[in-house]
Amino acid sequence: QQPVQSPQAVILREGEDAVINCSSSKALYSVHWYRQKHGEAPVFLMILLKGGEQKGHDKISASFNEKKQQSSLYLTASQLSYSGTYFCGTRNAGGTSYGKLTFGQGTILTVHP
Amino acid sequence: EAQVTQNPRYLITVTGKKLTVTCSQNMNHEYMSWYRQDPGLGLRQIYYSMNVEVTDKGDVPEGYKVSRKEKRNFPLILESPSPNQTSLYFCASSFIFRANGLTQHFGDGTRLSIL
Repeated sequence: QQPVQSPQAVILREGEDAVINCSSSKALYSVHWYRQKHGEAPVFLMILLKGGEQKGHDKISASFNEKKQQSSLYLTASQLSYSGTYFCGTRNAGGTSYGKLTFGQGTILTVHP
Repeated sequence: EAQVTQNPRYLITVTGKKLTVTCSQNMNHEYMSWYRQDPGLGLRQIYYSMNVEVTDKGDVPEGYKVSRKEKRNFPLILESPSPNQTSLYFCASSFIFRANGLTQHFGDGTRLSIL
């Protein structure tokens, strides 16, 4: 079952902040975030392992609450280059399917000048 | 240059005509995976491989086959394509670091149209 992302779409002006959420009904081992620009391949942003850690680089950070099976991606002071579709991917805890990765349906982020 | 190369980039074919989409990576990655992308459905994993001769099903494996005879190559085979397999396909690869997980590099994609 795919994780659920919210919102489905968000429109910002440069400099504004945004939060994208990813929620799963299953216990998670890790959460992966990717960004895909129109007509291009997805690009890896960051990975969070269970343990409730928070990560970030530049003005993009993420958190992972393993008890709630939820992750959030935070985009601060957005830039035009942040526009694209953001996907979360999840790997379930336990089992033997170590390489199985399930993605959400995506969140379309549009940043205007 | 580190890259994942898919061929062909575009293909229009007919129902039932066997086809193979090749994927090759030059980064010595153990892990490789195939995804299909359809509007509103995001990326869905078809098959993945943890290493040579080790493959496993993703969420949507029906109608597809894969093989991993060499570390660098992971072809996707559609033995009897049908119109519902019309989609954008991505191949990806990664090292397997248990501490850091999978950080995938994606190919540029293959757009398949099956008439």
